[in-house]
Amino acid sequence: KNEVEQSPQNLTAQEGEFITINCSYSVGISALHWLQQHPGGGIVSLFMLSSGKKKHGRLIATINIQEKHSSLHITASHPRDSAVYICAVLWSDMRFGAGTRLTVKP
Amino acid sequence: NAGVTQTPKFQVLKTGQSMTLQCAQDMNHEYMSWYRQDPGMGLRLIHYSVGAGITDQGEVPNGYNVSRSTTEDFPLRLLSAAPSQTSVYFCASSPGQGANYGYTFGSGTRLTVV
Repeated sequence: KNEVEQSPQNLTAQEGEFITINCSYSVGISALHWLQQHPGGGIVSLFMLSSGKKKHGRLIATINIQEKHSSLHITASHPRDSAVYICAVLWSDMRFGAGTRLTVKP
Repeated sequence: NAGVTQTPKFQVLKTGQSMTLQCAQDMNHEYMSWYRQDPGMGLRLIHYSVGAGITDQGEVPNGYNVSRSTTEDFPLRLLSAAPSQTSVYFCASSPGQGANYGYTFGSGTRLTVV
């Protein structure tokens, strides 16, 4: 069983929709990362959280340490947001979720 | 700034061959790590290093060796390639290993073992 579970696995949205991707983990952690993997394969770090909420442009990430859960929200989604979004948790080392493939249609 | 540079981008090996995947960073990051990405399984940590001269095993270390003779370079060696090592490999670096550090990833190496 993977220590990091993401949902949904695949998500298709219309341009402009509000998107939520969820991440649950089973162990106590010191930090959680949200990553974006572009269709070309490159991986970019979006957020690093140890508590609360962070916002960058149209992206918002939240974490609830007690419930072992994090969410990534995208407001006013755009086709350029189409990518795989990966949740990763850090305790002794980094463990990754399998990713959520997001497709935003115009 | 080049960031994290991985070479080669693509490689095909025959079973039993050996090769080295190169990873270099120019950000003076202490922490470097290697991951493999397989369909449906997510990224898995192979080996990592917290500084020059120090390496440790991750989740899936078997069949791979690493060394860290300089801060900049962290090569990954496949000793005797097997079809199960067909994967996409990513190198990453960070100023440190902890809650306050972001990771910078290389562009990946797609390896096929036939």
